[in-house]
Amino acid sequence: AQSVTQPDIHITVSEGASLELRCNYSYGATPYLFWYVQSPGQGLQLLLKYFSGDTLVQGIKGFEAEFKRSQSSFNLRKPSVHWSDAAEYFCAVGGGGGADGLTFGKGTHLIIQP
Amino acid sequence: DAGVTQSPTHLIKTRGQQVTLRCSPKSGHDTVSWYQQALGQGPQFIFQYYEEEERQRGNFPDRFSGHQFPNYSSELNVNALLLGDSALYLCASSSLQGTGELFFGEGSRLTVL
Repeated sequence: AQSVTQPDIHITVSEGASLELRCNYSYGATPYLFWYVQSPGQGLQLLLKYFSGDTLVQGIKGFEAEFKRSQSSFNLRKPSVHWSDAAEYFCAVGGGGGADGLTFGKGTHLIIQP
Repeated sequence: DAGVTQSPTHLIKTRGQQVTLRCSPKSGHDTVSWYQQALGQGPQFIFQYYEEEERQRGNFPDRFSGHQFPNYSSELNVNALLLGDSALYLCASSSLQGTGELFFGEGSRLTVL
């Protein structure tokens, strides 16, 4: 069975500091990996995805993520956070070329300190 | 270009009742997926519809059913509501032959009393 673990429920970062959100997955085949962001009262927006190829993927809003097969990880990073980055972040895994239903982690709540 | 639209945005039901939630996909998309997001949790996959058929289903009981119409819009029906069905129900659309990116609506918040 596939699963996603986001070990950090809450993370607090000062504005301008760097950010790393952790994600570990379990999947029996080639994983398709995603990071989504959810602002309060909103749906989810895709930040970036990994299907194959280069293990460092670039996304929107200055985010990037690195796929490490040996560690079953897909951590999200940003070099300098902005107050507007405060939100809930979800890592997800799926298959079927990205067409199958996704399995999401429980999310990490990001708080930005001024 | 309208994105994914869902209705109603909020609703309150009592235990044992039935509810229908509606979703219109993003223009050009042919696949609709439904997710349940309980408070403080990540979304959980309920099922996916393509060409008016249920293509894939998550671990949800038969009380949860759906439908897709020829115009690709979709409904989620939940029968015999339980308190534990209280959640945000998210609809996501995609193109089965596309990149796999899901476009989410803002959800329907269901409260069961």
